[in-house]
Amino acid sequence: GENVEQHPSTLSVQEGDSAVIKCTYSDSASNYFPWYKQELGKRPQLIIDIRSNVGEKKDQRIAVTLNKTAKHFSLHITETQPEDSAVYFCAAIYANAGKSTFGDGTTLTVKP
Amino acid sequence: EPEVTQTPSHQVTQMGQEVILRCVPISNHLYFYWYRQILGQKVEFLVSFYNNEISEKSEIFDDQFSVERPDGSNFTLKIRSTKLEDSAMYFCARGDAAGDTQYFGPGTRLTVL
Repeated sequence: GENVEQHPSTLSVQEGDSAVIKCTYSDSASNYFPWYKQELGKRPQLIIDIRSNVGEKKDQRIAVTLNKTAKHFSLHITETQPEDSAVYFCAAIYANAGKSTFGDGTTLTVKP
Repeated sequence: EPEVTQTPSHQVTQMGQEVILRCVPISNHLYFYWYRQILGQKVEFLVSFYNNEISEKSEIFDDQFSVERPDGSNFTLKIRSTKLEDSAMYFCARGDAAGDTQYFGPGTRLTVL
C-alpha cells in the first residue's frame, strides 16, 4: 500500500519568513496530492492541491511543487503570518479509487 | 461549494455498544469518505463510497464497521461493538468526482468509556 512520509514534524519560523514542508510517497499510482490545514479542534481544510500532470501550483502565498520521478511534493508558504500557525497534513491519493494516505502532520508555529 | 454536516457533534457510549454516525450531504453528491483521527494523530482513511457502493476500504475498516446511504439520504457509519480504541474524531468528506478534491465535514467526536 501507499506510504507517505512528512517532514519536519514541527517547524517554528519568525513572522515574515518562509516555511517549507516536504512529503514523499511510495506508490507511483498516486496522482492527486492535497494539502490540508487543521487548526486545533477543527476539521482539515484544503489549502492547495496538485495533480500528477502538473509540476507546480501557486495560490497567493502558498505554493506546491511535485516531483513525480522522485515521488515527493512540497508545500511552500511565504511571508508567514501568526494565523498560519496550525497542523499541516499532506496526502497522496490514487484518484481512481479515492483511497487517501495522509502524512503524520507538521505543526507550524509562526512567532510574531 | 458547501461541505457536509455531521451529527451528532459528540457521542459518548459504553464499550460494546453500537453507534451510528451521520453525514448529511446535499443530495447530488455521489462521492463520500469516512476518516478517523485519534487525538493528536494523523488523519486515517476508513472507506470511500461511490454510487451507493464501497469503492475502497482500509485495514482499519473491519467487520465492526459498515456504511450505507439508504435512498440517497444520510450517509452513515456504523460501529457495531465499540472498543476503547475507537475513541476518535470521525470525519465525513464529500467529493465532486472520484479521487477529486475532498471537503471535510466538522466531525463527530466519539468517546468510548
